[in-house]
Amino acid sequence: DAKTTQPPSMDCAEGRAANLPCNHSTISGNEYVYWYRQIHSQGPQYIIHGLKNNETNEMASLIITEDRKSSTLILPHATLRDTAVYYCIVRPRTNTGNQFYFGTGTSLTVIP
Amino acid sequence: DSGVTQTPKHLITATGQRVTLRCSPRSGDLSVYWYQQSLDQGLQFLIQYYNGEERAKGNILERFSAQQFPDLHSELNLSSLELGDSALYFCASSPTLLNTEAFFGQGTRLTVV
Repeated sequence: DAKTTQPPSMDCAEGRAANLPCNHSTISGNEYVYWYRQIHSQGPQYIIHGLKNNETNEMASLIITEDRKSSTLILPHATLRDTAVYYCIVRPRTNTGNQFYFGTGTSLTVIP
Repeated sequence: DSGVTQTPKHLITATGQRVTLRCSPRSGDLSVYWYQQSLDQGLQFLIQYYNGEERAKGNILERFSAQQFPDLHSELNLSSLELGDSALYFCASSPTLLNTEAFFGQGTRLTVV
């Protein structure tokens, strides 16, 4: 599975957009980019995923570069409840076992 | 609420004992995953089942075993427990083996004393 690199920590002011980068330079053509977050030892929460097009849902937007070697998760208006560890995961598009491998993630702190 | 139910929420047991953790996946989901998260550690993939069959195995110790039953619920059995097995154990489920999101339960916190 392709390895991802994320900054260990970031701060964001409440109400501002939080932009969380992820590098996945070894991603292959059949691998999706997934984002999850974990709030203080709770179960990881699915945020969004994409293959090559930008995606948006009610929680966030995912911007994937044209070469697919990096992506950015955007939380448009960060709130204190968005303080969490955010995981960027690259996952093969196969049907032979498609488990998620979590790295160390980015600890996002939203500051009042 | 993800729809994935794990029981019990908390479990305290002694070294050398055996425990069983239970996971009920979301309605209709055929695939179940188990993860371990030790204190200050990342989420470690243990094992995946799909429709009753083992599909993938990660860093699961030989003292640990799992199964998925015909009603699709899953159990993770941990035996000969050691202090180092103290951790959060998460279960996740997804509908198929294809590329869909998986939803996680709230975990079982196991403390071995």
